[in-house]
Amino acid sequence: AQSVTQPDIHITVSEGASLELRCNYSYGATPYLFWYVQSPGQGLQLLLKYFSGDTLVQGIKGFEAEFKRSQSSFNLRKPSVHWSDAAEYFCAVGVGSARQLTFGSGTQLTVLP
Amino acid sequence: SAVISQKPSRDICQRGTSLTIQCQVDSQVTMMFWYRQQPGQSLTLIATANQGSEATYESGFVIDKFPISRPNLTFSTLTVSNMSPEDSSIYLCSVDRKNNEQFFGPGTRLTVL
Repeated sequence: AQSVTQPDIHITVSEGASLELRCNYSYGATPYLFWYVQSPGQGLQLLLKYFSGDTLVQGIKGFEAEFKRSQSSFNLRKPSVHWSDAAEYFCAVGVGSARQLTFGSGTQLTVLP
Repeated sequence: SAVISQKPSRDICQRGTSLTIQCQVDSQVTMMFWYRQQPGQSLTLIATANQGSEATYESGFVIDKFPISRPNLTFSTLTVSNMSPEDSSIYLCSVDRKNNEQFFGPGTRLTVL
């Protein structure tokens, strides 16, 4: 069965600093990979996805992620964090038709002024 | 993206009672999913709801506890039966689109006393 690991439970960065959130997956083939963001009291919003092709994918709100097959990773990055980025971020993997998602445990991002 | 609404948005219920959560989508979709997010935890898939057939439940979830209906291609309900405080969670429905993206509803925050 597939699994997703987000090793960082909580990350704190200063506004304007760069950000990288880690995600590792376990699956026998190339999975579909997703990053979602959940703001307090809000539902989940899809930031970006990787299915195939270019391993560097661009998403909304200035986020990008890079798929590295050799490391089984799909890390999320942003060059300059804004205070509004404070939220919880979930990495997810979908197998088969990507219709069933397995989520990581999430990383809580705090942004300091 | 899909517009997904859930009712109720939140509820406080007594132990032993049942609550039915509704999920309405603005367009026809093949598959709908129900997830549970326990306090401070990630999302766990409860079941997949297909129109015209029985829902498919994940390990650890059973139909007697979480009966699901899917009467048409835009609507589904999840019932949390014989509730206990351990059922206090956010329950989210999601739908997948043709490009294999899942969109989530705003969630139903359930508190069981």
